[in-house]
Amino acid sequence: DSGVTQTPKHLITATGQRVTLRCSPRSGDLSVYWYQQSLDQGLQFLIQYYNGEERAKGNILERFSAQQFPDLHSELNLSSLELGDSALYFCASRGGGGDTQYFGPGTRLTVL
Amino acid sequence: ELKVEQNPLFLSMQEGKNYTIYCNYSTTSDRLYWYRQDPGKSLESLFVLLSNGAVKQEGRLMASLDTKARLSTLHITAAVHDLSATYFCAGRPRGGSNYKLTFGKGTLLTVNP
Repeated sequence: DSGVTQTPKHLITATGQRVTLRCSPRSGDLSVYWYQQSLDQGLQFLIQYYNGEERAKGNILERFSAQQFPDLHSELNLSSLELGDSALYFCASRGGGGDTQYFGPGTRLTVL
Repeated sequence: ELKVEQNPLFLSMQEGKNYTIYCNYSTTSDRLYWYRQDPGKSLESLFVLLSNGAVKQEGRLMASLDTKARLSTLHITAAVHDLSATYFCAGRPRGGSNYKLTFGKGTLLTVNP
């Protein structure tokens, strides 16, 4: 158990809908990272937040957005969902001064 | 832009044998990571390699880093079935503080009795 929690574990929805994925980092970790894992694209970095501020962006679609709240939990919002958005979405956290990113259990999103 | 390539992508081994997974990266990276992922599960951190010549070992796994060759290896010694999993290497581009990682495609390792 990495100490990173994600909810929900599974999400099934329809095209065009909007969903929110939630992540709670390890206690004390200020950095949160979001990754998408799919069969065709592999593991891709989406976005990073540090203590409430966006720090880095990867290949994140404009339909996707994220935020980190004062209690340090983070949410990834996916809108106008398409079939191709079906994937595992991971959140990871990292502590100040540490090198390792600890991954949560992931949310499996299925868009029908 | 950092690119990370692993090979092989699929590896079927017999128990008791040794093998190596290779990870090449395209530009300067100052952190090289190895992760393990079991089917349908999360990623578990195995090693973080920080400098040229770094070598780390945990049980039957040993990872090394050659920054001049832009190459990291994950060596498996006397494989056992429990090591069956997908192994990813990932790099962080040198400079900056954001720690966004670029992952390889992963190596699916199957250890057969």
